[in-house]
Amino acid sequence: AQKVTQAQTEISVVEKEDVTLDCVYETRDTTYYLFWYKQPPSGELVFLIRRNSFDEQNEISGRYSWNFQKSTSSFNFTITASQVVDSAVYFCALRRINYGQNFVFGPGTRLSVLP
Amino acid sequence: DGGITQSPKYLFRKEGQNVTLSCEQNLNHDAMYWYRQDPGQGLRLIYYSQIVNDFQKGDIAEGYSVSREKKESFPLTVTSAQKNPTAFYLCASTTSGDSGTQYFGPGTRLTVL
Repeated sequence: AQKVTQAQTEISVVEKEDVTLDCVYETRDTTYYLFWYKQPPSGELVFLIRRNSFDEQNEISGRYSWNFQKSTSSFNFTITASQVVDSAVYFCALRRINYGQNFVFGPGTRLSVLP
Repeated sequence: DGGITQSPKYLFRKEGQNVTLSCEQNLNHDAMYWYRQDPGQGLRLIYYSQIVNDFQKGDIAEGYSVSREKKESFPLTVTSAQKNPTAFYLCASTTSGDSGTQYFGPGTRLTVL
Protein backbone atom coordinates (compact mmCIF):
# COMPACT_ATOMS: atom_id res chain seq x y z
CA ALA A 1 0.00 0.00 0.00
CA GLN A 2 1.04 3.57 -0.59
CA LYS A 3 1.38 5.75 2.47
CA VAL A 4 2.85 9.10 3.45
CA THR A 5 3.70 9.85 7.05
CA GLN A 6 4.37 13.25 8.54
CA ALA A 7 5.09 12.48 12.15
CA GLN A 8 5.20 16.11 13.27
CA THR A 9 1.64 17.27 13.79
CA GLU A 10 2.57 20.78 14.90
CA ILE A 11 5.80 22.71 15.12
CA SER A 12 6.39 26.14 16.63
CA VAL A 13 9.55 28.13 16.05
CA VAL A 14 10.65 31.68 16.62
CA GLU A 15 11.29 33.82 13.58
CA LYS A 16 14.73 33.36 12.00
CA GLU A 17 15.10 29.83 13.31
CA ASP A 18 15.65 27.00 10.84
CA VAL A 19 13.03 24.27 10.79
CA THR A 20 12.82 20.86 9.11
CA LEU A 21 9.57 19.15 8.25
CA ASP A 22 9.81 15.39 7.97
CA CYS A 23 8.16 13.21 5.35
CA VAL A 24 8.45 9.43 5.14
CA TYR A 25 6.71 7.47 2.42
CA GLU A 26 5.94 3.86 1.62
CA THR A 27 5.65 2.43 -1.86
CA ARG A 28 6.67 -0.70 -3.70
CA ASP A 29 6.93 1.18 -6.96
CA THR A 30 10.34 1.93 -8.41
CA THR A 31 9.09 5.01 -10.23
CA TYR A 32 7.08 7.65 -8.44
CA TYR A 33 6.92 11.36 -7.73
CA LEU A 34 7.03 13.25 -4.46
CA PHE A 35 5.58 16.68 -3.79
CA TRP A 36 5.39 19.34 -1.12
CA TYR A 37 2.46 21.74 -0.82
CA LYS A 38 1.85 24.72 1.45
CA GLN A 39 -1.62 25.54 2.78
CA PRO A 40 -1.74 29.05 4.24
CA PRO A 41 -4.70 30.17 6.37
CA SER A 42 -6.59 31.16 3.22
CA GLY A 43 -6.97 27.46 2.45
CA GLU A 44 -5.63 27.02 -1.06
CA LEU A 45 -2.86 24.47 -1.46
CA VAL A 46 0.19 25.95 -3.14
CA PHE A 47 2.58 23.68 -5.02
CA LEU A 48 6.19 23.99 -3.83
CA ILE A 49 8.22 21.22 -5.40
CA ARG A 50 8.10 17.96 -7.34
CA ARG A 51 10.82 15.34 -7.28
CA ASN A 52 10.96 12.06 -9.22
CA SER A 53 12.27 8.86 -7.69
CA PHE A 54 15.35 8.78 -9.92
CA ASP A 55 16.56 12.21 -8.94
CA GLU A 56 18.04 12.23 -5.46
CA GLN A 57 19.78 15.53 -5.93
CA ASN A 58 18.89 17.94 -3.18
CA GLU A 59 17.29 21.17 -4.21
CA ILE A 60 17.44 24.69 -2.86
CA SER A 61 15.08 27.50 -3.70
CA GLY A 62 15.74 30.63 -1.72
CA ARG A 63 15.14 29.83 1.94
CA TYR A 64 13.63 26.45 1.06
CA SER A 65 15.57 23.24 0.59
CA TRP A 66 14.61 19.62 0.14
CA ASN A 67 16.50 16.48 1.03
CA PHE A 68 15.44 13.32 -0.78
CA GLN A 69 16.90 10.06 0.48
CA LYS A 70 15.57 7.01 -1.28
CA SER A 71 17.44 4.66 1.07
CA THR A 72 15.34 5.87 3.99
CA SER A 73 12.22 6.72 1.96
CA SER A 74 12.33 10.29 3.19
CA PHE A 75 11.75 13.63 1.54
CA ASN A 76 12.36 16.29 4.15
CA PHE A 77 11.78 20.00 3.78
CA THR A 78 13.87 22.67 5.49
CA ILE A 79 13.06 26.34 5.85
CA THR A 80 16.04 28.47 6.68
CA ALA A 81 15.65 31.68 8.64
CA SER A 82 11.90 31.17 9.01
CA GLN A 83 9.50 34.09 8.71
CA VAL A 84 6.00 34.67 10.03
CA VAL A 85 4.68 34.29 6.47
CA ASP A 86 5.90 30.70 6.51
CA SER A 87 3.17 29.86 9.02
CA ALA A 88 0.96 27.31 7.28
CA VAL A 89 0.14 23.64 7.05
CA TYR A 90 2.59 21.75 4.87
CA PHE A 91 1.64 18.56 3.06
CA CYS A 92 3.90 15.95 1.56
CA ALA A 93 2.41 13.80 -1.23
CA LEU A 94 3.27 10.74 -3.31
CA ARG A 95 2.12 10.04 -6.82
CA ARG A 96 2.35 6.67 -8.48
CA ILE A 97 3.04 6.19 -12.15
CA ASN A 98 0.67 4.28 -14.40
CA TYR A 99 -1.90 4.10 -11.67
CA GLY A 100 -4.52 6.54 -12.75
CA GLN A 101 -3.82 10.00 -11.51
CA ASN A 102 -4.19 9.49 -7.79
CA PHE A 103 -2.08 11.26 -5.25
CA VAL A 104 -1.52 10.12 -1.67
CA PHE A 105 -1.22 12.96 0.82
CA GLY A 106 0.31 12.92 4.24
CA PRO A 107 -1.69 14.29 7.19
CA GLY A 108 0.18 17.58 7.15
CA THR A 109 2.39 19.48 9.59
CA ARG A 110 1.17 22.77 11.02
CA LEU A 111 4.05 25.22 11.28
CA SER A 112 3.71 28.30 13.43
CA VAL A 113 6.45 30.91 13.19
CA LEU A 114 6.28 33.33 16.08
CA PRO A 115 7.60 36.88 15.81
CA ASP B 1 -4.90 34.38 -16.04
CA GLY B 2 -4.89 30.59 -16.05
CA GLY B 3 -6.11 28.82 -12.98
CA ILE B 4 -8.78 26.94 -11.11
CA THR B 5 -11.83 28.71 -9.78
CA GLN B 6 -14.29 27.42 -7.22
CA SER B 7 -17.55 28.97 -6.29
CA PRO B 8 -18.98 29.92 -3.99
CA LYS B 9 -16.28 30.52 -1.40
CA TYR B 10 -18.74 29.98 1.47
CA LEU B 11 -21.91 27.95 1.26
CA PHE B 12 -24.61 27.32 3.80
CA ARG B 13 -27.10 24.52 3.44
CA LYS B 14 -30.04 23.29 5.39
CA GLU B 15 -30.18 19.64 6.30
CA GLY B 16 -31.87 17.56 3.65
CA GLN B 17 -30.91 19.81 0.76
CA ASN B 18 -28.65 18.95 -2.13
CA VAL B 19 -26.03 21.51 -3.06
CA THR B 20 -23.64 21.80 -6.00
CA LEU B 21 -20.12 23.15 -5.77
CA SER B 22 -18.60 24.58 -8.90
CA CYS B 23 -15.07 23.94 -10.17
CA GLU B 24 -13.75 25.39 -13.41
CA GLN B 25 -10.25 25.33 -14.87
CA ASN B 26 -8.77 27.01 -17.93
CA LEU B 27 -5.43 25.22 -17.76
CA ASN B 28 -6.40 22.61 -20.37
CA HIS B 29 -5.79 19.87 -17.83
CA ASP B 30 -7.30 16.47 -18.52
CA ALA B 31 -7.62 15.23 -14.95
CA MET B 32 -9.67 16.84 -12.19
CA TYR B 33 -10.26 15.92 -8.56
CA TRP B 34 -12.40 16.69 -5.54
CA TYR B 35 -11.05 16.47 -2.01
CA ARG B 36 -12.64 16.98 1.36
CA GLN B 37 -10.73 18.45 4.28
CA ASP B 38 -12.05 18.46 7.84
CA PRO B 39 -10.62 20.81 10.50
CA GLY B 40 -7.10 19.84 11.43
CA GLN B 41 -7.15 16.92 9.03
CA GLY B 42 -5.53 15.98 5.75
CA LEU B 43 -7.12 15.59 2.34
CA ARG B 44 -9.49 12.79 1.43
CA LEU B 45 -10.31 12.02 -2.19
CA ILE B 46 -14.00 12.09 -3.10
CA TYR B 47 -14.00 11.65 -6.90
CA TYR B 48 -11.64 12.11 -9.78
CA SER B 49 -11.95 12.27 -13.54
CA GLN B 50 -9.22 11.62 -16.07
CA ILE B 51 -11.21 12.47 -19.19
CA VAL B 52 -14.53 13.97 -20.18
CA ASN B 53 -17.56 11.79 -19.48
CA ASP B 54 -15.60 9.50 -17.21
CA PHE B 55 -14.99 9.60 -13.46
CA GLN B 56 -14.05 7.27 -10.62
CA LYS B 57 -14.91 7.11 -6.96
CA GLY B 58 -12.30 8.02 -4.44
CA ASP B 59 -12.08 6.97 -0.82
CA ILE B 60 -15.19 8.74 0.45
CA ALA B 61 -17.62 8.96 -2.50
CA GLU B 62 -20.76 8.01 -0.59
CA GLY B 63 -23.24 10.86 -0.48
CA TYR B 64 -21.55 12.75 -3.33
CA SER B 65 -22.00 12.83 -7.09
CA VAL B 66 -20.09 14.43 -9.96
CA SER B 67 -20.30 15.01 -13.69
CA ARG B 68 -17.70 15.77 -16.31
CA GLU B 69 -19.48 16.98 -19.42
CA LYS B 70 -16.80 19.48 -20.33
CA LYS B 71 -13.06 19.38 -19.92
CA GLU B 72 -13.08 22.66 -18.05
CA SER B 73 -15.76 21.81 -15.51
CA PHE B 74 -16.11 19.24 -12.75
CA PRO B 75 -19.03 20.11 -10.44
CA LEU B 76 -19.58 18.26 -7.19
CA THR B 77 -23.05 17.68 -5.74
CA VAL B 78 -23.32 17.05 -2.02
CA THR B 79 -26.53 15.11 -1.57
CA SER B 80 -28.77 14.74 1.45
CA ALA B 81 -27.35 11.24 1.81
CA GLN B 82 -24.05 12.70 3.01
CA LYS B 83 -24.48 12.55 6.78
CA ASN B 84 -21.81 15.02 7.80
CA PRO B 85 -21.14 17.36 4.89
CA THR B 86 -19.76 20.35 6.81
CA ALA B 87 -16.17 20.63 5.57
CA PHE B 88 -13.75 22.45 3.30
CA TYR B 89 -13.88 21.20 -0.30
CA LEU B 90 -10.92 21.52 -2.62
CA CYS B 91 -10.93 21.02 -6.37
CA ALA B 92 -7.71 20.23 -8.21
CA SER B 93 -6.48 19.47 -11.69
CA THR B 94 -3.35 17.80 -12.96
CA THR B 95 -1.00 18.53 -15.81
CA SER B 96 -0.67 15.77 -18.39
CA GLY B 97 1.83 12.97 -18.31
CA ASP B 98 3.33 10.78 -15.65
CA SER B 99 5.07 13.71 -14.04
CA GLY B 100 1.88 15.70 -13.75
CA THR B 101 1.64 18.15 -10.90
CA GLN B 102 -1.62 18.72 -9.11
CA TYR B 103 -2.82 22.31 -8.76
CA PHE B 104 -5.60 23.42 -6.45
CA GLY B 105 -8.45 25.88 -6.45
CA PRO B 106 -9.16 28.23 -3.52
CA GLY B 107 -11.73 25.91 -1.96
CA THR B 108 -15.37 26.10 -0.85
CA ARG B 109 -16.30 26.00 2.80
CA LEU B 110 -19.64 24.25 3.22
CA THR B 111 -21.62 24.56 6.43
CA VAL B 112 -24.80 22.64 7.12
CA LEU B 113 -27.17 24.49 9.39
